[in-house]
Amino acid sequence: QSALTQSASVSGSPGQSITIACIGTNSDVGGYNHVSWYQQHPGKAPKLLIYDVTKRPSGISNRFSGSKPGNTASLTISGLQAEDEADYYCSSYIGDNTWVFGGGTKLTVL
Amino acid sequence: QLQLQESGPGLVKPSETLSLTCSVSGGSLSSTTSYWSWIRQPPGKGLEWIGSVYYSGRSYYNLSLKSRVTISVDTSKSQFSLSLSSVTAADTAVYFCARHRYDWGLREFDYWGQGTLVTVSP
Repeated sequence: QSALTQSASVSGSPGQSITIACIGTNSDVGGYNHVSWYQQHPGKAPKLLIYDVTKRPSGISNRFSGSKPGNTASLTISGLQAEDEADYYCSSYIGDNTWVFGGGTKLTVL
Repeated sequence: QLQLQESGPGLVKPSETLSLTCSVSGGSLSSTTSYWSWIRQPPGKGLEWIGSVYYSGRSYYNLSLKSRVTISVDTSKSQFSLSLSSVTAADTAVYFCARHRYDWGLREFDYWGQGTLVTVSP
């Protein structure tokens, strides 16, 4: 199973909104409503931001939102803040109780 | 609050077996809503799911690593372990343990350890 496809980098200015895409296939992203998103700051463990495509865990800001039109999942960050600068990873269920991650996207806040 | 902590050697020789342990506190390893997972991240690269184990011992693995991986659980010690055989330099990575939420199937990774770097070198 190949990694899901994410753009290598994205950037935005404080206060703006950005969207990170996670491109998959009918066998992963498009086939199940079990896509999750993670934020990882340098040297730190990943942190869960979104699960089941659109749900936010307790304590996660509503500036983070998820969607999934077709075979592409998206993470939108609104009201961009300096502390949002990090790497972001998507992950999808791919059947038979197995999972795959995306290659990661580096967000730069200008 | 659930906490996970990885431990094990930071250096392993090529062709040998990498062994790591994850200690779980603040929750039960026998939870029916949890699988326990290993995920790795080579330096400067992305995340790779290695596999997940239930308290009963039932496990699921990444097909690309399945022939070399065993994940086991010891509920009496609140620990689960990773064994990766025949390692090469490509197995050099930060290894994370994590909780894999279970709800009629494996779901998201919601609690993570801090990670431990394992280097494969002679």
